Amino acid sequence: QKEVEQNSGPLSVPEGAIASLNCTYSDRGSQSFFWYRQYSGKSPELIMFIYSNGDKEDGRFTAQLNKASQYVSLLIRDSQPSDSATYLCAVSRMDSSYKLIFGSGTRLLVRP
Amino acid sequence: KAGVTQTPRYLIKTRGQQVTLSCSPISGHRSVSWYQQTPGQGLQFLFEYFSETQRNKGNFPGRFSGRQFSNSRSEMNVSTLELGDSALYLCASSGDKRTTNEKLFFGSGTQLSVL
Repeated sequence: QKEVEQNSGPLSVPEGAIASLNCTYSDRGSQSFFWYRQYSGKSPELIMFIYSNGDKEDGRFTAQLNKASQYVSLLIRDSQPSDSATYLCAVSRMDSSYKLIFGSGTRLLVRP
Repeated sequence: KAGVTQTPRYLIKTRGQQVTLSCSPISGHRSVSWYQQTPGQGLQFLFEYFSETQRNKGNFPGRFSGRQFSNSRSEMNVSTLELGDSALYLCASSGDKRTTNEKLFFGSGTQLSVL
């Protein structure tokens, strides 16, 4: 079992729709959760982070965390073609190992 | 504030050679992490340095090594290159808070091709 799992996609949504990206993790001691966006040929860019159960909103992005279910998600409202990218979920452990564990990423395609 | 700077941007080497990659973190950041990204394996953690000390190392062979200088700049070295070392090598820096809430900011990466 991978430590951080994501559906590789592609997830295809029409412009203006809500895109829902999901991530599960195996380490119950995980404390911090991050979403990175990576355009083709570019480096990952941090777009959201969440530390507590519940929802966290930032503009069109909402991160949701459910530690009991070991589940974190990213919602993108009013999806735009410019949102087409690979979204990486990353988890930080509790043991101060000073590293992030990344999922393999979900490719999102927003159709005009 | 300047971002994370990695050099060179592209490298082509042959099997058996060695290579050194360089990373300058965001000003004020003291932690530097290195990741290898390949299409098949995704982002894999190599190692992390803080104040010139390696705090953690990933599951890579000893051919992969790194160091950090007093100005927080970091280098990673790969010796005896193999074809499978072809990858995008990403450096990321984070602030000096020793918590698991550190956010990583990535450089543009070095694309290494081993022929």
